[in-house]
Amino acid sequence: DVKVTQSSRYLVKRTGEKVFLECVQDMDHENMFWYRQDPGLGLRLIYFSYDVKMKEKGDIPEGYSVSREKKERFSLILESASTNQTSMYLCASSPSRTSVLKGDEQFFGPGTRLTVL
Amino acid sequence: AQSVTQPDIHITVSEGASLELRCNYSYGATPYLFWYVQSPGQGLQLLLKYFSGDTLVQGIKGFEAEFKRSQSSFNLRKPSVHWSDAAEYFCAVGARAAGNKLTFGGGTRVLVKP
Repeated sequence: DVKVTQSSRYLVKRTGEKVFLECVQDMDHENMFWYRQDPGLGLRLIYFSYDVKMKEKGDIPEGYSVSREKKERFSLILESASTNQTSMYLCASSPSRTSVLKGDEQFFGPGTRLTVL
Repeated sequence: AQSVTQPDIHITVSEGASLELRCNYSYGATPYLFWYVQSPGQGLQLLLKYFSGDTLVQGIKGFEAEFKRSQSSFNLRKPSVHWSDAAEYFCAVGARAAGNKLTFGGGTRVLVKP
């Protein structure tokens, strides 16, 4: 089974702090994704990556950056946390660049609920 | 750009009754479609997907969905709901032109009455 793990289930930070959210997958997937989930808005894509050291902006990248130094690990960084970044953050992975040709699904981690005070 | 609409934010259903969750998408090309479920405190789990072929798709936990191109819909159904089906359900759409990105609907929260 694919396993996607996230470093924390709950996190509380103060405004202005630098925040790191870590995600690790154990199935050698090429694609990794970061979403935020807010009530009524569903999941919105922040950033994604198709390969090590490669990243692309999603729909709401402002205020976030990412790092992918190793294939299995994809980090989301909040350079200076703000209260409007209080949310549930979900990491996902899918097999490869050809996933879209096969309709591969994305596999999700359990999420990190971040509160910024 | 593709979009997904789940018109019902909340649905309450009695245990044993049937359930239908609506999903409408907007995309010019042939989409591929997913339904995910999120139980309280959990990540998203795939229920079923449509990629090609038969438009009636069977999934896990007794769920099925039907792709109707003419209506741009992919509604999820279950004939008899169990209390454990109380969760939030998300419809998602992908397409070749969008690469490996998925677009999610806003979700429908299902409450099950005893």
